[in-house]
Amino acid sequence: QQQVKQSPQSLIVQKGGISIINCAYENTAFDYFPWYQQFPGKGPALLIAIRPDVSEKKEGRFTISFNKSAKQFSLHIMDSQPGDSATYFCAASKGGGADGLTFGKGTHLIIQP
Amino acid sequence: DAGVIQSPRHEVTEMGQEVTLRCKPISGHNSLFWYRQTMMRGLELLIYFNNNVPIDDSGMPEDRFSAKMPNASFSTLKIQPSEPRDSAVYFCASSLQGWTGELFFGEGSRLTVL
Repeated sequence: QQQVKQSPQSLIVQKGGISIINCAYENTAFDYFPWYQQFPGKGPALLIAIRPDVSEKKEGRFTISFNKSAKQFSLHIMDSQPGDSATYFCAASKGGGADGLTFGKGTHLIIQP
Repeated sequence: DAGVIQSPRHEVTEMGQEVTLRCKPISGHNSLFWYRQTMMRGLELLIYFNNNVPIDDSGMPEDRFSAKMPNASFSTLKIQPSEPRDSAVYFCASSLQGWTGELFFGEGSRLTVL
């Protein structure tokens, strides 16, 4: 049973464009929603995270939008750059992350110069 | 500061052999997680420890897999006997429970079972 569904599987965006990745979750007990970025040969690293008491969080070019009623959240990358090319994972957890994260299957993002 | 350290980075072995993967978490972190990454299944949580105690091993595929954390600075994931379907990248991650919830991942151990 997949508790966090992520789409699309892959995404190609032109440099300067907006990259959008979507996730949906099922468990209403989830209270922590991070996005992780992974480069080839490396482990995932935290990019940005949100808790359900806010609907949006922005850090630089990266924004999480959160819709609690729809049980959906998304990552927006503004002014996408070739260096943003990576695999992005959404995740969710109960207890603020203490019990480990349930990850989506990932989105392979390519930013074309 | 050193991050999470995993060894070996790459392991190629034959079916039936025992495989031991090692992890050194970030000093001061009290939670440790083992994940497996494959193309088909993505990142799967296998087991996690809090203060060296296994809390949830429901993600461990079967009895061939076992994990230990004898002290706060070392953990192992063992597969015995190994099978080709165990081929994957195994990640160890650590965190400071009760803080931000951020997991810090190692660079992974890529296992190939022939």
